[in-house]
Amino acid sequence: KAGVTQTPRYLIKTRGQQVTLSCSPISGHRSVSWYQQTPGQGLQFLFEYFSETQRNKGNFPGRFSGRQFSNSRSEMNVSTLELGDSALYLCASSPQGGNTEAFFGQGTRLTVV
Amino acid sequence: GNSVTQMEGPVTLSEEAFLTINCTYTATGYPSLFWYVQYPGEGLQLLLKATKADDKGSNKGFEATYRKETTSFHLEKGSVQVSDSAVYFCALSTNSGGSNYKLTFGKGTLLTVNP
Repeated sequence: KAGVTQTPRYLIKTRGQQVTLSCSPISGHRSVSWYQQTPGQGLQFLFEYFSETQRNKGNFPGRFSGRQFSNSRSEMNVSTLELGDSALYLCASSPQGGNTEAFFGQGTRLTVV
Repeated sequence: GNSVTQMEGPVTLSEEAFLTINCTYTATGYPSLFWYVQYPGEGLQLLLKATKADDKGSNKGFEATYRKETTSFHLEKGSVQVSDSAVYFCALSTNSGGSNYKLTFGKGTLLTVNP
C-alpha cells in the first residue's frame, strides 16, 4: 500500500509569490491534515479536511488556505509569501480523523528568499 | 487548550544505555497519546500509541504507558541502538464529537546514540 505522497519535495520561492503544495493520502483515507514545522515553533496544525470539507483550522493567517478533492487528494496554498513561511510542510492522512493514528508524508521543504 | 510538554534535550547516550524521555500533557476530554519519530530529512513515523488510561503502547523495544493520574506518557527503551538516533515527538489528539481532530505536539527531543 503506497504511503502519503507529497509533491514537490523542495521548493524555493521569492517573497510575495504564492505557492501550492500537493498531498496524496493513503488509499481509502478520507482525512487529510496539514502541519507546519519550523525550528522555532515546532509542529503547528494548519487545517484538516474530511470529505472535501474543512473540519478544523489552526491559528494561521488567511494567506494559508487549502482544499480537498473528491479523490481525497489535498492541496494547500500560501499567498504573498513571507520569509517566515520558510518551513517543512507535512501532510498526514488517516481513515477518518478522530483519535486514530495519522500517517505522515515526507514533507515539502519550502524556502522563501 | 491542549498542550504537550516534553524534555527538549538534546539527549546523548551510549549504545545499550537506558532511555527515558518525559512527556506530560494538558487536555480537555479524553485524549489519545502518541509518540512519533522523525529521522533526518524525513517526515514523522508513528512509533506507538495509547488510547485510554493505563494502556501501554509498545513497538521496536520502545514502551510508554498512559498515566491519567499524572497526565504523563513517558517514552522508555531498555537498550538503545545507534539507529535510534532521531527526534522524538510526543503528541495528543482529542475528538470533540468526532469533528475536531488535530494533533498537538511537544517540541521534540533530539536523541543521539553513540557507538
